[in-house]
Parts: sequence; structure tokens; C-alpha cells
Amino acid sequence: GEDVEQSLFLSVREGDSSVINCTYTDSSSTYLYWYKQEPGAGLQLLTYIFSNMDMKQDQRLTVLLNKKDKHLSLRIADTQTGDSAIYFCAESGSGGYNKLIFGAGTRLAVHP
Amino acid sequence: EAQVTQNPRYLITVTGKKLTVTCSQNMNHEYMSWYRQDPGLGLRQIYYSMNVEVTDKGDVPEGYKVSRKEKRNFPLILESPSPNQTSLYFCASRGGVTDTQYFGPGTRLTVL
Repeated sequence: GEDVEQSLFLSVREGDSSVINCTYTDSSSTYLYWYKQEPGAGLQLLTYIFSNMDMKQDQRLTVLLNKKDKHLSLRIADTQTGDSAIYFCAESGSGGYNKLIFGAGTRLAVHP
Repeated sequence: EAQVTQNPRYLITVTGKKLTVTCSQNMNHEYMSWYRQDPGLGLRQIYYSMNVEVTDKGDVPEGYKVSRKEKRNFPLILESPSPNQTSLYFCASRGGVTDTQYFGPGTRLTVL
């Protein structure tokens, strides 16, 4: 079945790079997404990558996709305290347009 | 401003008392959906709607109903809430050039 897995917690020092990893099972996914959820708020789309791409960079964010291993990662350069949040990986799955399949979320804690 | 709104944001109720959580979007999106978020489980889709009068079950539809009588609104109805429906609920709409999914701010529901 469709499944998305992420580690639940990551702690980094301010100014370091953060790397959040995700594995997924559905190789037919067209899009893969990273969402950010700050405390008490909804999910905010950070970035997405098409399945035919290997990498996408957007300012401090770099997304790497390894389709062979079904592995997606989000790298945040120069991590700041404002980056502290829960990060969700999601895939479009074989349902295509109908739904997104989310991981359980990775809580990123940034400390001085 | 493009947004998805939900009401109420917080709700405490008792078992069996019917309730409705409203959701509205101002982006003229055809696709809308409801998710629930539970610790360690990420987001799970309850119901989705491809357009007016077109709805379908997601992964966890039991105990919920929806309706889509007009494009902008997609209410979630709990006819007889039970404690296992205590959760954080998110409405989302999806569309536009980049096919982005936008989330509402969430409704925290407690069923006693």
C-alpha cells in the first residue's frame, strides 16, 4: 500500500544545515511535497518537486529526490530559530489528483 | 488574499451531539478535502470533493459526512461524535497553475 515514512525528531544548532529525510512507497507519484506546520497553524507548502527531477533549489531550501530508492530529502541551509516547526513529506500517490499521502511529520528543533 | 477559512477553530462537545465544521475557500478551486491530524499518524484524508455535488471517501471516512452544494464551501458533519474523533481537523483546497494545496488554519475538536 501507499506509505510515507519520516523520522519524528531532529535537533540542530542555529546556523547549521538541517536535513530531513523521507521515504515513500508509491513509485507512480507525480509530485512530492514538503509542508511546514508552525505551532497552532495550518500546513504551509514549502516546496514541491516533480518526479522527473532529481533536485530543486529554492533559496535556503534544497530538495533531493532519489527515485530508485524512493527517498526524498529537504535540506535547510543556515537553519534559524524561525525554522523550528514540524515538516511533513507528502506524495501524490497512485490516486493522483485525489489525495496526498502524508508522513507523520518531523519536528525540527533549532537551538542556539 | 487567497485563503481557506475554517470555523470554529476550537470546539469542545459531548458524545452524540451533532456538529458541523465549516470550510470556505476564495480561490475558485474545484478540489477540496478534509484531513484529520493525530500525533504520530500525520494527516489522514477523510473525504474529498472534485467539484460541486461530487464527493468521495478518503482513508478514514467512518463517522463523517460532507456536502458540496457550492464551489466555495465544503462543510464537515459529525452526526454523532464520539471520543475517538477528538483530533485536529484541516480543510484544504487545491488548484491554480501550480496545482498547490492550501490548508485552512485547523479546527481542534474535543469530544467528551
